[in-house]
Amino acid sequence: DQQVKQNSPSLSVQEGRISILNCDYTNSMFDYFLWYKKYPAEGPTFLISISSIKDKNEDGRFTVFLNKSAKHLSLHIVPSQPGDSAVYFCAASGAGNQFYFGTGTSLTVIP
Amino acid sequence: NAGVTQTPKFRVLKTGQSMTLLCAQDMNHEYMYWYRQDPGMGLRLIHYSVGEGTTAKGEVPDGYNVSRLKKQNFLLGLESAAPSQTSVYFCASSLRKQPQHFGDGTRLSIL
Repeated sequence: DQQVKQNSPSLSVQEGRISILNCDYTNSMFDYFLWYKKYPAEGPTFLISISSIKDKNEDGRFTVFLNKSAKHLSLHIVPSQPGDSAVYFCAASGAGNQFYFGTGTSLTVIP
Repeated sequence: NAGVTQTPKFRVLKTGQSMTLLCAQDMNHEYMYWYRQDPGMGLRLIHYSVGEGTTAKGEVPDGYNVSRLKKQNFLLGLESAAPSQTSVYFCASSLRKQPQHFGDGTRLSIL
């Protein structure tokens, strides 16, 4: 069963507006979360991470929010740019070395 | 700086054939991972290594073997390929347990 879920397969946003990508997880033992961006025919690129001791982490235009009680995290991109158009994956890990990935959300930023 | 290089980029095999996928990294990373990505699914961990000479099973290890004889190389072997192993395979490496740098993938088709 999928332990990390991204329920929106796709999202379209106007350039300059905020993009919000969501991710839910089921395992309460997960304590470290990551977001990756992937362009076609390339490998994923690490974007930003957050540990469970925080509820927010910011890096430039990218902010990740973590709601542990809801087992939910989100990635905010502000302002969105056409170059942000890609597939975004969230991933989660607990005490072991395994990271569990969501199925991805395809973001299209419309110029 | 090449980062993570996967060889080959594409391959077509017949059922029952064997092959080895090579992953090479030039960043002196301890951790290396092999993932597969299938349509509608996230990346799933096949095997990983936390250092030269060590390997461990991931989420979907059946039908695959790995070796890490040199720190910079992580090999993924299919002893007897099956159509269910048709997938895109990604290798990743990192200094710590978070998979940080990915290769561009190997597209493998098994007929």
